[in-house]
Amino acid sequence: AQKITQTQPGMFVQEKEAVTLDCTYDTSDPSYGLFWYKQPSSGEMIFLIYQGSYDQQNATEGRYSLNFQKARKSANLVISASQLGDSAMYFCAMREGQGDYKLSFGAGTTVTVRA
Amino acid sequence: DSGVTQTPKHLITATGQRVTLRCSPRSGDLSVYWYQQSLDQGLQFLIQYYNGEERAKGNILERFSAQQFPDLHSELNLSSLELGDSALYFCASSVRTGIVNEQFFGPGTRLTVL
Repeated sequence: AQKITQTQPGMFVQEKEAVTLDCTYDTSDPSYGLFWYKQPSSGEMIFLIYQGSYDQQNATEGRYSLNFQKARKSANLVISASQLGDSAMYFCAMREGQGDYKLSFGAGTTVTVRA
Repeated sequence: DSGVTQTPKHLITATGQRVTLRCSPRSGDLSVYWYQQSLDQGLQFLIQYYNGEERAKGNILERFSAQQFPDLHSELNLSSLELGDSALYFCASSVRTGIVNEQFFGPGTRLTVL
């Protein structure tokens, strides 16, 4: 079974608008972490934001925020005030357990920001 | 710049050949991970090393092997290469302690098997 599901293969967003990228996950481990990474066309993977399973508040990092709904097992990424440089592939990933464990990635969502 | 370095950046080789991909983790990071990104399989975890020892294994083929050396750099060896091994291979590193333990990724090695 897929551990991470990203159902939006591609999205278009107008510059300065907000966009929400969907991510649902599946785990029976009560302790887990959820990550979002950005992969621009150059190929590198850039860490954006983290949400721990025990965190009471939704994570925020600048223009990135994570809409964490634990009961629904969803961890959607919201990018506010989109910029042209936000055009990239975005991956949701999960680490099961606390510590230095592997990441399971979703299929990714391509975001294209239009001027 | 994540602080993780990978060489070479690009590698073009033929079927049946053997290649070695090299990774140097961020200073102080003891955990090294290898991931493969391909069009059909997406991003998949291959193997993890912690301070020189194998810690976890994922969907790594028997033709592939890895090791982590005393200076903490790691090498991924791919042998008897097939067309389907063409992919972007990432190395990542992280600290073991801490709450977030985010993984920092290197720029990747793009392998093309002809």
